[in-house]
Amino acid sequence: GAVVSQHPSWVICKSGTSVKIECRSLDFQATTMFWYRQFPKQSLMLMATSNEGSKATYEQGVEKDKFLINHASLTLSTLTVTSAHPEDSSFYICSARSGRADNEQFFGPGTRLTVL
Amino acid sequence: GQQLNQSPQSMFIQEGEDVSMNCTSSSIFNTWLWYKQEPGEGPVLLIALYKAGELTSNGRLTAQFGITRKDSFLNISASIPSDVGIYFCAGGTSYGKLTFGQGTILTVHP
Repeated sequence: GAVVSQHPSWVICKSGTSVKIECRSLDFQATTMFWYRQFPKQSLMLMATSNEGSKATYEQGVEKDKFLINHASLTLSTLTVTSAHPEDSSFYICSARSGRADNEQFFGPGTRLTVL
Repeated sequence: GQQLNQSPQSMFIQEGEDVSMNCTSSSIFNTWLWYKQEPGEGPVLLIALYKAGELTSNGRLTAQFGITRKDSFLNISASIPSDVGIYFCAGGTSYGKLTFGQGTILTVHP
């Protein structure tokens, strides 16, 4: 149980284009999902908290107009990187709370974004 | 903001040796979680701790929630090559957000 998927697993795009990443909880409903960014050999940095049916809460320094988050259902959250630039290249990982225990988060496999 | 100090940053050990890593914080956490991440993958939850003083095992892994609620350790006994990866501690608050440590890179030589 508590399986989270992400799609795509990797994407290469041209500078200026937008990229959408999907995060799905496959065997549970997740009222809250989280989006993280991870640079090589570094820890996970929380970007935003995504709540089903409401606006996402962004961490300080994260541009909400740059990283659009939509949590349309209890099993799906999407992150759209708008007008991507090379500095947006990173590993993006989502997680979901299962609701069985307060703070247990289960992570997706991540999406490697490369912006040329 | 809250910060977690995880140590050591990296470990190079022989197969069969025991491993210990820990995290300390200046703030109190309600939950301590330990994750393992392999290259190109998302973190996988190993152990979750919910009460101060709690000691929990998962196979060869043992973790404890410090009595002050500001620290936690993870031990791996009799390491094997597949234990290789990056281990992260994470502290959780009542708001549900996690703060991650910097990670411990574990290398196991056969």
